[in-house]
Amino acid sequence: AAGVIQSPRHLIKEKRETATLKCYPIPRHDTVYWYQQGPGQDPQFLISFYEKMQSDKGSIPDRFSAQQFSDYHSELNMSSLELGDSALYFCASSLWLVAGGKVDHEQYFGPGTRLTVT
Amino acid sequence: DAKTTQPTSMDCAEGRAANLPCNHSTISGNEYVYWYRQIHSQGPQYIIHGLKNNETNEMASLIITEDRKSSTLILPHATLRDTAVYYCIAHLGGSARQLTFGSGTQLTVLP
Repeated sequence: AAGVIQSPRHLIKEKRETATLKCYPIPRHDTVYWYQQGPGQDPQFLISFYEKMQSDKGSIPDRFSAQQFSDYHSELNMSSLELGDSALYFCASSLWLVAGGKVDHEQYFGPGTRLTVT
Repeated sequence: DAKTTQPTSMDCAEGRAANLPCNHSTISGNEYVYWYRQIHSQGPQYIIHGLKNNETNEMASLIITEDRKSSTLILPHATLRDTAVYYCIAHLGGSARQLTFGSGTQLTVLP
């Protein structure tokens, strides 16, 4: 089965540079989420999109922005990178379904992009 | 989302059942209990979820108490590949809302 695709898998940038991370959700999924996981920490929600519109916003720095395109892929743009931005960045996608009276809205995560800022 | 409480770590012998508890005493009536796991540095993986009834799939079983204040994830025959951090999350299933990951339980399956 198709999974969430993220690119690149590894990225090394210097301080004050910019980075763009890409996410290709599972086909027909209508929601995309971005999470950040620092070293030794749990994943933290950044931002989500439902049907190409921003849905929720978490602890995303103002230096970061994201969008979802007409083909449903999403990009996370990060500017003025800081050392503390070094982390794993996960994209997830989901599709809201109701089956047998139960809501199914599980999120499927990609393998992540490891960003290292030097 | 309601706060959940899990033990920090647990060990389990390979081939035995792993029972991972979770307390969610303030869960609301329309919040589901979701379980995810994260194998070291990989993307979190959905395991199972439920509202009131017990659930079973090919990966695990989920037992939810009648008052819904706690639940147990059961891996029936743990293997070394089940070593991971397991997250119990109370989540409004009907909305496109983010998951709030707590500290989770580090499960180590021992040979």
